[in-house]
Amino acid sequence: AQSVAQPEDQVNVAEGNPLTVKCTYSVSGNPYLFWYVQYPNRGLQFLLKYITGDNLVKGSYGFEAEFNKSQTSFHLKKPSALVSDSALYFCAVRDGSGNTGKLIFGQGTTLQVKP
Amino acid sequence: GAGVSQSPRYKVAKRGQDVALRCDPISGHVSLFWYQQALGQGPEFLTYFQNEAQLDKSGLPSDRFFAERPEGSVSTLKIQRTQQEDSAVYLCASSSSGGNTGELFFGEGSRLTVL
Repeated sequence: AQSVAQPEDQVNVAEGNPLTVKCTYSVSGNPYLFWYVQYPNRGLQFLLKYITGDNLVKGSYGFEAEFNKSQTSFHLKKPSALVSDSALYFCAVRDGSGNTGKLIFGQGTTLQVKP
Repeated sequence: GAGVSQSPRYKVAKRGQDVALRCDPISGHVSLFWYQQALGQGPEFLTYFQNEAQLDKSGLPSDRFFAERPEGSVSTLKIQRTQQEDSAVYLCASSSSGGNTGELFFGEGSRLTVL
C-alpha cells in the first residue's frame, strides 16, 4: 500500500534562511508525489508535483522539491524563507490501486518562520 | 465558479442529528473527492466520484456516511445520527480528470462539531 511519512511535526526557521520539510514515501510502482500547503481555516493549495523527469521540481511561491529514488524521499525546499510561508505542509502520494487519482496524505508538518 | 465551494463552512450538531454538507466543484471537473481531516491530522480519503458514478467509497467510516452526486456536478455528503467522533473538517476536492497525474483543487472545508 502507498504511504508517506513526514517525520517532523514542526520545523522552525529564521526568515531569510533556507528551509527543508522532509517527506519519505513507500509505493509499489512509479511514485506520483505532491506537496500541498494549508493556511489556517483554508483548504489545501497545490504547490508542486513529481511525476517523471527531472529530480528537482519547481513549484509555486519559490518552493522546490527534490525526488530521491534511492532514499525514497521527496523533501520540500526553499532557498530563502519568508514569514508568510508559515503554514501547514502536507506531502502526498497518488494511490496506485484502482484508477481514481486519489491522494494519500502524510500527517503534516507545521512550518514556523520567525522574523 | 472560480474554485471549489463548500457549505456550510461551520456546522454544530447535537449528537444523533443528521447533517448534510454540500460541495460545488470547479465547473467541468469530472472527478470529485471527499476527505475527512481530524484536528492535527492529514486529510483521510472518504469517497470518489467520476461524474455521477461513485467509483470508490472505501474510506467511508460507517454506513452512517452517504455521498451522492446525482447530476455529475454538485455533491452532498450526508452523515446520519452524528457521533462525537465525526467532528472534523470535511474537505471536497475536484480534478479535471480521474486516474491521471493532475492535482486536486480543494475547497475551504466544512467544519463539523458534534456536541
